[in-house]
Amino acid sequence: DAGITQSPRHKVTETGTPVTLRCHQTENHRYMYWYRQDPGHGLRLIHYSYGVKDTDKGEVSDGYSVSRSKTEDFLLTLESATSSQTSVYFCAISVTGVKDTQYFGPGTRLTVL
Amino acid sequence: DQQVKQNSPSLSVQEGRISILNCDYTNSMFDYFLWYKKYPAEGPTFLISISSIKDKNEDGRFTVFLNKSAKHLSLHIVPSQPGDSAVYFCAARPSKSYNTDKLIFGTGTRLQVFP
Repeated sequence: DAGITQSPRHKVTETGTPVTLRCHQTENHRYMYWYRQDPGHGLRLIHYSYGVKDTDKGEVSDGYSVSRSKTEDFLLTLESATSSQTSVYFCAISVTGVKDTQYFGPGTRLTVL
Repeated sequence: DQQVKQNSPSLSVQEGRISILNCDYTNSMFDYFLWYKKYPAEGPTFLISISSIKDKNEDGRFTVFLNKSAKHLSLHIVPSQPGDSAVYFCAARPSKSYNTDKLIFGTGTRLQVFP
């Protein structure tokens, strides 16, 4: 599982409230990613990071911000949650080598009422 | 614009038979392709990959075929087992000359293997 944990695993919140999701990795990987998974859309990239304090937008970044102050932690923040942000959120890390691939965390199910 | 497409949302196969999952892509700058498997309430797990310089890669019961001229890849599972029932995502990575490690995912195909 490449040592990836996500917290919380489940969250229910109300429209307009701020929400922060945390991704933690234990293996010092440089690249980290946040995706959301929705029916009919597969996995879509929200934001990614290529190092401490180095982040960039993905294809569905509106309404989301990220921060990475330490190699091991990548935070995703919904400044003011909306019902359209109800989704399952996955964090991933990138491993390069013989087989370049991404490894995913267990996911956070977020419901915005 | 969907650059990676999985046109079959679901597939049902009998145990022991072959499962064939398909994926089409539009961007000729993709140089690396991956398949992921996802069970409910879990994160996707890496299954198998193929570089654009190859046309086939095999790992046990799983084989991925790449047809670059048709911009098409497929995943074959032989023989299919009930434990293979999951959602399968194909993903593609742009050439590293683009200085990015981002993956583009398809929408997924739900495979059900029945006894």
